[in-house]
Amino acid sequence: GAVVSQHPSRVICKSGTSVKIECRSLDFQATTMFWYRQFPKKSLMLMATSNEGSKATYEQGVEKDKFLINHASLTLSTLTVTSAHPEDSSFYICSASQGTTEAFFGQGTRLTVV
Amino acid sequence: AQSVTQLDSHVSVSEGTPVLLRCNYSSSYSPSLFWYVQHPNKGLQLLLKYTSAATLVKGINGFEAEFKKSETSFHLTKPSAHMSDAAEYFCVVSGWYGQNFVFGPGTRLSVLP
Repeated sequence: GAVVSQHPSRVICKSGTSVKIECRSLDFQATTMFWYRQFPKKSLMLMATSNEGSKATYEQGVEKDKFLINHASLTLSTLTVTSAHPEDSSFYICSASQGTTEAFFGQGTRLTVV
Repeated sequence: AQSVTQLDSHVSVSEGTPVLLRCNYSSSYSPSLFWYVQHPNKGLQLLLKYTSAATLVKGINGFEAEFKKSETSFHLTKPSAHMSDAAEYFCVVSGWYGQNFVFGPGTRLSVLP
């Protein structure tokens, strides 16, 4: 089956620094990638949708200057949390779609900002 | 617009008894529907999916779900719960080409010995 690898699985960073999370589709070309955020004991909230080679589309309320998304190739998308603060601590999950009705999820990244 | 309702935020069953996790959806067009499971501090694992083929869908670990268009439901069932089934379960509806992947709020399943 299709595999999506997300790295790192856990990261701790200092307040004010930036963190980059990678999402790779290992055995298929992902025309679209999605980034989600999950608060403790809550469901997944879609942050943005990115198509290869074009700018990401952000959901309402998501700061695009804070959460930079790059989808430079058909197998890689990155999410950079800039100037991270403790309130950005969360579980971030990516998913990738190859143009069908199904998307495949990464393992998630637990971000802790101290 | 699409939406998903999971009627129970928490379900508790005894080991060996049946599991029923309820999901209702709203969609402007023929949806694809999924159930995912998430164990604590883990990513998402696909249990099963419905994509307009057979209405009774069998998934992994003994789970199955039935798509009922008239009731706009896609309830998840398992005949006999196992301790390892304790986790968070998400019902998801997808529209065109993987876009608009909408998650339900989740149901936490507890399995008692």
